[in-house]
This record gives sequence, structure tokens and C-alpha cells, in this order.
Amino acid sequence: DAKTTQPPSMDCAEGRAANLPCNHSTISGNEYVYWYRQIHSQGPQYIIHGLKNNETNEMASLIITEDRKSSTLILPHATLRDTAVYYCIVRPDNYGQNFVFGPGTRLSVLP
Amino acid sequence: SAVISQKPSRDICQRGTSLTIQCQVDSQVTMMFWYRQQPGQSLTLIATANQGSEATYESGFVIDKFPISRPNLTFSTLTVSNMSPEDSSIYLCSGHYNEQFFGPGTRLTVL
Repeated sequence: DAKTTQPPSMDCAEGRAANLPCNHSTISGNEYVYWYRQIHSQGPQYIIHGLKNNETNEMASLIITEDRKSSTLILPHATLRDTAVYYCIVRPDNYGQNFVFGPGTRLSVLP
Repeated sequence: SAVISQKPSRDICQRGTSLTIQCQVDSQVTMMFWYRQQPGQSLTLIATANQGSEATYESGFVIDKFPISRPNLTFSTLTVSNMSPEDSSIYLCSGHYNEQFFGPGTRLTVL
């Protein structure tokens, strides 16, 4: 079973920041938080991952709480192309470990 | 990151037949994974495929139904055998290269 809990759906206005929450209260010390997204009819796409520090890349920012029991993925300026299902996954950063996908959050960016 | 291609991208098959899906990676990867995504559902891992050894199957998936080959570090095949309508799904190939990345999927419809 997935170790994360996400809201099933969210809406966001185009151009605004999209903040996607994820609860992972049973996360272990060696487990990272990964975010992927799946745009309709495509394979999942890696977005970002982190252990305990906040992370930022060209796609998004990842904010992890100090107790690591929850995190938020931030898309700073959402566009219509960001409409997708977003998956939050916790996993040890061991080479070859597979990902256990939960149902994710369906983000709809509205014009 | 590496790029994965899959063939065919989609197919419609008759009950009782078999289909082999090919997965080609543009970089050498030690471990590859095969997932199934049933309509409206999240991804479920079928098996992990290492080069030079038998694939490791997840609970509920067996080799007779989903035989896998992994002849080298850039290629793998998944066969869906003796198909029934319940096998209608998207089948995705994945590999680990810096991060885990996914192919575009093969959309299978069984009549």
C-alpha cells in the first residue's frame, strides 16, 4: 500500500501558484519524498525529490515540514499544461527500488 | 535524463491471443520495471527485470501470464499471454537512470 495521503482533486487558476499537499506520517528516516506527474495518455514524469531540506528546480519547489510528516509541492505559476495527476511517493533512495503509486491528486488548471 | 520508447503504442487484440511489448532505453540501465495501469486507476508494478536473471514478479502476477525478457542493458519485452478483456490496460516500462523514468506506455484493448 502507498504510504502517502493526497487530496483526490484540486483546482488552480492559470498563472497562480498551485500548492499540492501530501501527508506521509509514517515516513522513515532513510526515505525520500518524490513527486511525479502524469499528463493524460503519457507516462509519469519526474518532478522533484527531497529528504528533509526544501528543494527547488526549474519545474517546482518542494517544501518538507521539519518533522517530515508532510510536504507540499509548489508549481509557482501554473499553466494549462500543468493539468495532470500528481503523485507523492516516499521511498528509500536505494538504487533499483521501485515506486509504489497511490491514487494521486488530479490537478485542474483553469483558464 | 534517459529516454524510453515503447512499441506498439497501442493495439487491439482478440481474446486468447498474446501480445509482446518492446521497451527500448537510450542509456544502459541495470534495473527495468513493468507496470500496469488499468482504466482510471494508478500504476501497479508487475515485475522487476534485471539483465541476466529471471524477472521478479509482484503478488498477483505470474510468469506464465506475463513472461519478461531482458537480453541486455537497454532492452526488455513484456508479453501479455492468453489475453482476456480484463487485460485491457496501459502497460508502462520504467528504468532507473539518476532518477526513475517512464516510457509513454502501450494502450492495450482486448475484445
